[in-house]
Amino acid sequence: GAVVSQHPSRVICKSGTSVKIECRSLDFQATTMFWYRQFPKKSLMLMATSNEGSKATYEQGVEKDKFLINHASLTLSTLTVTSAHPEDSSFYICSARDPSSGGYEQYFGPGTRLTVT
Amino acid sequence: AQSVSQHNHHVILSEAASLELGCNYSYGGTVNLFWYVQYPGQHLQLLLKYFSGDPLVKGIKGFEAEFIKSKFSFNLRKPSVQWSDTAEYFCAVRRAPNNNDMRFGAGTRLTVKP
Repeated sequence: GAVVSQHPSRVICKSGTSVKIECRSLDFQATTMFWYRQFPKKSLMLMATSNEGSKATYEQGVEKDKFLINHASLTLSTLTVTSAHPEDSSFYICSARDPSSGGYEQYFGPGTRLTVT
Repeated sequence: AQSVSQHNHHVILSEAASLELGCNYSYGGTVNLFWYVQYPGQHLQLLLKYFSGDPLVKGIKGFEAEFIKSKFSFNLRKPSVQWSDTAEYFCAVRRAPNNNDMRFGAGTRLTVKP
């Protein structure tokens, strides 16, 4: 199946700094990518949907100025957590949609564990 | 608002026991249905999906799920679980045919005792 990678897998940063997480579709072109946040023992919450070359669509309650999403190419999307606070500590998962799969399969990355100290 | 409910938070079974995990959704239109598994320390993997046709779908690793439209349900089953099935299981629903809005259930943690 298709592969989605994320980098880094873990990151620790200090409050007030910014962190960038990369999401790549390795063997397909993803016109649409998704960013999720997973809290401990909780489900995945969709943060935003990004389409290549256009602005991301954010879910209600997600601060677009805090979580900057850039989908600059068909294989790369980035999530930048700006001015991070401890409450931003979480597991962030990206997903990419493969339009060539017919059923518009979504493939998930391995996730990035962000810890803000 | 569209929602997905998974009835069991944590299920503990012995090896060879049968498994059924419940999933109900609230959206009334045409939907695509998915079950994902997340093994400890690993990423989400697709177990099976339903788009249309036979409501009984078979997935990988011996899992199957049945779509019952009248009950808005898509329960996951496996006749005989193995210790290696220990994982978190997520039901997900997406409005068909091409909607970006995939919603996940809260997840069910399955622990299989050897």
